[in-house]
Amino acid sequence: NAGVTQTPKFQVLKTGQSMTLQCAQDMNHEYMSWYRQDPGMGLRLIHYSVGAGITDQGEVPNGYNVSRSTTEDFPLRLLSAAPSQTSVYFCASRTGTANSPLHFGNGTRLTVT
Amino acid sequence: QQPVQSPQAVILREGEDAVINCSSSKALYSVHWYRQKHGEAPVFLMILLKGGEQKGHDKISASFNEKKQQSSLYLTASQLSYSGTYFCGTDLSGPSSGSARQLTFGSGTQLTVLP
Repeated sequence: NAGVTQTPKFQVLKTGQSMTLQCAQDMNHEYMSWYRQDPGMGLRLIHYSVGAGITDQGEVPNGYNVSRSTTEDFPLRLLSAAPSQTSVYFCASRTGTANSPLHFGNGTRLTVT
Repeated sequence: QQPVQSPQAVILREGEDAVINCSSSKALYSVHWYRQKHGEAPVFLMILLKGGEQKGHDKISASFNEKKQQSSLYLTASQLSYSGTYFCGTDLSGPSSGSARQLTFGSGTQLTVLP
């Protein structure tokens, strides 16, 4: 089992460029989410999805778009990158039951210059 | 809405004990605990559900006081491998399967265990 797979691992963008961070899981989890991690800020929820075709905003959604066309995939799009989006991004998934843990991908380190 | 963790950082010698606290201003349904090593993804430690249970995992245990909306993580006889940043994640969703189940994380407690 691969678990949660994120690509790329590292990315450097110039201000204004767009890109998509990929996330795929092979555990048939209903729930998927994207977090960003900045020093001293912990993990902040960007967007989440409770199933294919259903997405919702988290704490810090501005500047990001998501879609969920399949159960397996949950890409995160940066429409016009800004230096404030320099961060480490984690995708995570879990089942819909109360006692299920979050499974994290290995993260994408994004730098916007 | 973000839970508050304390302390922000703690330094221990091998064999010493530590307690990390997590408190919420909202009623909690469950609390998750994760540990993250530098440059790696967070790794799941344990979940505590509403009901005030206490759980253990090797020499790491946790409690959940739903009345006080608090959880505490206890690390006993610390080992070098315990070093890392500990995060609590709170789930306000409730038991129904239709709930969104998003977790909100605290800002973390950096634990350093010295030989």
